Amino acid sequence: DQQVKQNSPSLSVQEGRISILNCDYTNSMFDYFLWYKKYPAEGPTFLISISSIKDKNEDGRFTVFLNKSAKHLSLHIVPSQPGDSAVYFCAASARVQGAQKLVFGQGTRLTINP
Amino acid sequence: DAEITQSPRHKITETGRQVTLACHQTWNHNNMFWYRQDLGHGLRLIHYSYGVQDTNKGEVSDGYSVSRSNTEDLPLTLESAASSQTSVYFCASSGDYMNTQYFGPGTRLTVL
Repeated sequence: DQQVKQNSPSLSVQEGRISILNCDYTNSMFDYFLWYKKYPAEGPTFLISISSIKDKNEDGRFTVFLNKSAKHLSLHIVPSQPGDSAVYFCAASARVQGAQKLVFGQGTRLTINP
Repeated sequence: DAEITQSPRHKITETGRQVTLACHQTWNHNNMFWYRQDLGHGLRLIHYSYGVQDTNKGEVSDGYSVSRSNTEDLPLTLESAASSQTSVYFCASSGDYMNTQYFGPGTRLTVL
């Protein structure tokens, strides 16, 4: 039972355009959502996050949108740059015993074409 | 600078052997996690620990064990390696009441 789903395994975008990565979840108990970026042969690195009490969070070129009623979040990258080519994982968390566990989606491989 | 390291970075072993993957963090985080990454599955949680002497099973814990004797280390042991355990393994840590986990560089394990 996949609680967090990224239905697009890959996405190709022209440099300078907007990249939109999508993520759906099923568990209403999730209260925090994160996006991680992963380059080959490296560990995932934190990119941006959003609390369930918000619907938008922005950090430079990266914006995350949360639609709680649809159980859907998206990551917008504007403008896209070649260095953004990586695998992006969305993750959702529900706090347990004062700490959180993350549930990850399958990942989307983003390729930015020059 | 605080960091999280994993060793070895690459490991080839044979079916049936016991293998231990090391994870060491200098963040002084209480919470530590082990994941495996497989194509089509993303990152799946194997085991996690909320502090010294605390260990818990994750989503895919069969065939794996962990122990936590200090704050800095959470070694992952494969009791009897199987080909299905060929994967990339990531260790992560987070502080209490932190939402963000910090990941190590990963260990690529091949079981022949």
